[in-house]
Amino acid sequence: ETGVTQTPRHLVMGMTNKKSLKCEQHLGHNAMYWYKQSAKKPLELMFVYNFKEQTENNSVPSRFSPECPNSSHLFLHLHTLQPEDSALYLCASSQLAGGQGTQYFGPGTRLTVL
Amino acid sequence: QQQVKQSPQSLIVQKGGISIINCAYENTAFDYFPWYQQFPGKGPALLIAIRPDVSEKKEGRFTISFNKSAKQFSLHIMDSQPGDSATYFCAATTQYNQGGKLIFGQGTELSVKP
Repeated sequence: ETGVTQTPRHLVMGMTNKKSLKCEQHLGHNAMYWYKQSAKKPLELMFVYNFKEQTENNSVPSRFSPECPNSSHLFLHLHTLQPEDSALYLCASSQLAGGQGTQYFGPGTRLTVL
Repeated sequence: QQQVKQSPQSLIVQKGGISIINCAYENTAFDYFPWYQQFPGKGPALLIAIRPDVSEKKEGRFTISFNKSAKQFSLHIMDSQPGDSATYFCAATTQYNQGGKLIFGQGTELSVKP
């Protein structure tokens, strides 16, 4: 699990706040992902980056803004969120993007929007 | 057509029993079917995976059974142990398509009673 780290592990924010989630992978992978995990629902893919370039935006609202400065780091900038955005946000990485290769997940950031 | 349907939503099994989780899919282009295991406070981790050219894959106490004609696959946990208590997700993807995404089932919360 130390292959993919996420900070913070827990975050409580108001609807007018701006915060950022950070993900770092130590596996030498080229692809990174953001997923949203809500109770009793399948994991929802949000964004995919391959070699620092965004290759997938799964119709995510603009209040979520990803950033990938290099293949090892991925950020999710949050602003003016809604209470329904409360969920576990998971970062993952894989050697290559798409269906190839195993995805390795971080422990997630538990986000609560008040 | 991109959905993967997973059942049951929750499962309680006695120690030493067999746990069975089922998944069904529609997209015949899927060619890789992994199972992920998630413990509380952790991200999902790959448990076992199968390709449709075989009908069964076994790794220790974990077995995937695959029925290509029925478009169904299942996870069997033999001699279930309390340490197996976790949430299990099936998934499907097109492995050799760079744009392929991992499509997850809704998850099954397994509790193994001592």
